[in-house]
Amino acid sequence: GAGVSQSPSNKVTEKGKDVELRCDPISGHTALYWYRQSLGQGLEFLIYFQGNSAPDKSGLPSDRFSAERTGGSVSTLTIQRTQQEDSAVYLCASIVIGVKGVNTEAFFGQGTRLTVV
Amino acid sequence: KQEVTQIPAALSVPEGENLVLNCSFTDSAIYNLQWFRQDPGKGLTSLLLIQSSQREQTSGRLNASLDKSSGRSTLYIAASQPGDSATYLCAGYSGGGADGLTFGKGTHLIIQP
Repeated sequence: GAGVSQSPSNKVTEKGKDVELRCDPISGHTALYWYRQSLGQGLEFLIYFQGNSAPDKSGLPSDRFSAERTGGSVSTLTIQRTQQEDSAVYLCASIVIGVKGVNTEAFFGQGTRLTVV
Repeated sequence: KQEVTQIPAALSVPEGENLVLNCSFTDSAIYNLQWFRQDPGKGLTSLLLIQSSQREQTSGRLNASLDKSSGRSTLYIAASQPGDSATYLCAGYSGGGADGLTFGKGTHLIIQP
């Protein structure tokens, strides 16, 4: 497809279970962001991938959170031992990086709504 | 560190009015500024992208301006419609990493029929 695809769109899980969220970015886009958005709040940066460089993990809230990007394309965000405070919408952004930053543009998926009960 | 502020946080106006949403940023060294729309429970939809060398961009009833020297951008919506009701976010791109794409908290817009 032409857009950013995230799956699942909704996930309800029991406290303590592990969950895996998937992001299929736009083909050819070298950079990818994961954000978290709690109800009524702004976007909280989680992690950034750029090409083959080491990811910027500075936004991950705890060691229960991890993410990887395989082959510079699909990314998965894993949350282990989920807690109720992990309930939020998780958004993925696919970034086309222009030369010297010009024409750099972000495209978002529809998000995964995670509910921990 | 880049900080992006959006004013007002919320706005409710009657249908048909022209309105302006404001976005200010602290670091003028941005490559571009992007405006998004977010409907409840949904992802972000890109509305307009303004390069740092540009002053404005237009798409239909939307016009976005950028003044890097003053650290400000505005989104002008003409002849507002109920379907314009959403949260509008601006984001400045300054390069990669955690601070590369910095978002404001958004303006929650309601257009009254």
